[in-house]
Amino acid sequence: GIQVEQSPPDLILQEGANSTLRCNFSDSVNNLQWFHQNPWGQLINLFYIPSGTKQNGRLSATTVATERYSLLYISSSQTTDSGVYFCAVANSGGGADGLTFGKGTHLIIQP
Amino acid sequence: DTGVSQNPRHKITKRGQNVTFRCDPISEHNRLYWYRQTLGQGPEFLTYFQNEAQLEKSRLLSDRFSAERPKGSFSTLEIQRTEQGDSAMYLCASSLVLAYGYTFGSGTRLTVV
Repeated sequence: GIQVEQSPPDLILQEGANSTLRCNFSDSVNNLQWFHQNPWGQLINLFYIPSGTKQNGRLSATTVATERYSLLYISSSQTTDSGVYFCAVANSGGGADGLTFGKGTHLIIQP
Repeated sequence: DTGVSQNPRHKITKRGQNVTFRCDPISEHNRLYWYRQTLGQGPEFLTYFQNEAQLEKSRLLSDRFSAERPKGSFSTLEIQRTEQGDSAMYLCASSLVLAYGYTFGSGTRLTVV
C-alpha cells in the first residue's frame, strides 16, 4: 500500500509565527486531504488537494503530484492552531478508496 | 446539516462481549467510512460504503467485525467477542463524492477491560 511520511513529527512555535508542514507519499494518488485534530480529538478537514494550490484564510496547501509531496502552510499562528495535523492519501484507481494517514505533525503554539 | 453523529461517545465493555456502534452521516452524503485510531497514531481505514453497498474492507477488519448500512442511511459497526486490542477510538466519516473532503464524527471511544 501507499506509504505516507510527515515531517516534522513535532513543532513548537510562538504565537504569530509561520510554519510549513510536509507530506511525502510513495505512489501516485488521486485523493489527498489535510486534517487538523484538535486537542479534544475532533478531526476537521482542511483541504482536499490531490494537486495544485488552495488557500483558506491563514492556511494554504500545495500538492506537487509528480514529485509526490504536499505542503501545508500556516501563517500568523494562533493558540487555537495547536493539535495534530494529518495528511491522508488514496489512489482509487488502484481499487482502494480508503485513505492512508500519516503519523501526523504535533503542533504546539505557545502564547 | 448537523454534521456526522456517532453514538455512543464512550463504551466500556468486558472482554468477550459484543458491542455495536452507530453512525449517522450528513443526510445528502452517499459515501460512508469507518476508521479506527489508537493513541499517538493516525486513523486506520476499516471499511467504506457507497449508498448501501459495502465496496471495500481493510484486512484490519477481521471476521469479528461487521458493518452494515441498511437503505444507505445510518451505519452500524459491530465487534463480536471483543479483545483488549480492540480498545481504540472508532471514527465515522462521510462525503458526497470522491472529489470532496471527508466530514468526521466525534468518534466512539471503546475500552475493553
